[in-house]
Amino acid sequence: QQQVKQSPQSLIVQKGGISIINCAYENTAFDYFPWYQQFPGKGPALLIAIRPDVSEKKEGRFTISFNKSAKQFSLHIMDSQPGDSATYFCAATGNQFYFGTGTSLTVIP
Amino acid sequence: DARVTQTPRHKVTEMGQEVTMRCQPILGHNTVFWYRQTMMQGLELLAYFRNRAPLDDSGMPKDRFSAEMPDATLATLKIQPSEPRDSAVYFCASGLVNDGHRYTDTQYFGPGTRLTVL
Repeated sequence: QQQVKQSPQSLIVQKGGISIINCAYENTAFDYFPWYQQFPGKGPALLIAIRPDVSEKKEGRFTISFNKSAKQFSLHIMDSQPGDSATYFCAATGNQFYFGTGTSLTVIP
Repeated sequence: DARVTQTPRHKVTEMGQEVTMRCQPILGHNTVFWYRQTMMQGLELLAYFRNRAPLDDSGMPKDRFSAEMPDATLATLKIQPSEPRDSAVYFCASGLVNDGHRYTDTQYFGPGTRLTVL
């Protein structure tokens, strides 16, 4: 059973547009929700993270929206740039750690 | 700039050979993860160490894979014998846990070892 479900699998966005990636989780014991960014040939790197006591966290162009009752959280990339083209993984942790399956984002000029 | 290092970065071997991958976690981190990444399966957790003790290796094929931490500065992942289906990128990640009940919040990934088994 997949503990963290991520969608879409791939996403193409025009430069300047908004990229939105969604994740849903099952285990209510999860209490930390990070997003990782991975460029080709590199390891994943922490991008932004949120705890369930807040509904939104913003860092620059990146925003996490969190809906505790729906057990869903999403990553929004505002003013998407070609340099944002990468694979994005959501994750959930607490007494276990699970990654989503990843979203390949392509930002076209 | 502290970072996780992994060696080798690339490994090509023939089926049946032993493969050893090494990881040096960030100094002071007390947790180490081994992951396997493929296009089909994404990131799969193979093993998790805390304070050098294996806490979770349920994702690892026990008959051919083994993971150890001989000391706090070295983690190893061995495959013996290797098979073509083991071809993947293997990542090591480290982190710091202060609460004994938690997995680490933040993991710092190494650059990975790309393994090809012919």
